[in-house]
Amino acid sequence: EDKVVQSPLSLVVHEGDTVTLNCSYEVTNFRSLLWYKQEKKAPTFLFMLTSSGIEKKSGRLSSILDKKELFSILNITATQTGDSAIYLCAVESTSYDKVIFGPGTSLSVIP
Amino acid sequence: DAGVIQSPRHEVTEMGQEVTLRCKPISGHDYLFWYRQTMMRGLELLIYFNNNVPIDDSGMPEDRFSAKMPNASFSTLKIQPSEPRDSAVYFCASSRDRRQETQYFGPGTRLLVL
Repeated sequence: EDKVVQSPLSLVVHEGDTVTLNCSYEVTNFRSLLWYKQEKKAPTFLFMLTSSGIEKKSGRLSSILDKKELFSILNITATQTGDSAIYLCAVESTSYDKVIFGPGTSLSVIP
Repeated sequence: DAGVIQSPRHEVTEMGQEVTLRCKPISGHDYLFWYRQTMMRGLELLIYFNNNVPIDDSGMPEDRFSAKMPNASFSTLKIQPSEPRDSAVYFCASSRDRRQETQYFGPGTRLLVL
């Protein structure tokens, strides 16, 4: 059965800390892995990864994919209170033309 | 652009009642998606449309759920009869193409079935 697992499920850090969020997956016919940030409303897209070893970066956020070990990490450096959110990992499969979301990691950044 | 518009934003109803959720996609977007998010199951794709035609409804949980898109600017997700386990946040999203990363999500409808 296809699945996406994220860890930790919740995390509390202080401003300025660096955090690493993990996403592992099992999916038939992998197409891509996506990261989203969800604050109180709808998810907003962060990154899409399709190739192993190529880092995607946007400001203090970066992400990388390992297709051999079937996981991805999302790094946030110098965290700010505005980074507090749920971070969702999702995997697209070509076989079903579908997307499977993980349970999310709830990140709280305290001053 | 106003983005994806959903209504109502909150809905509280009693078990057995019919619930209709509404979505107006971004103008020019040919794809429309309905998602459900719960604590237990996370975010799930229920159904998506292309040019008003349902393409994949395999995520619809059961026959009590139905979705329609009568025109390019309006879609509904109906639950009849509703049950407490249907309580969730329902998101609508739209995009110009099928790619996951180009979807714009609406603000969601928070449904509580008592």
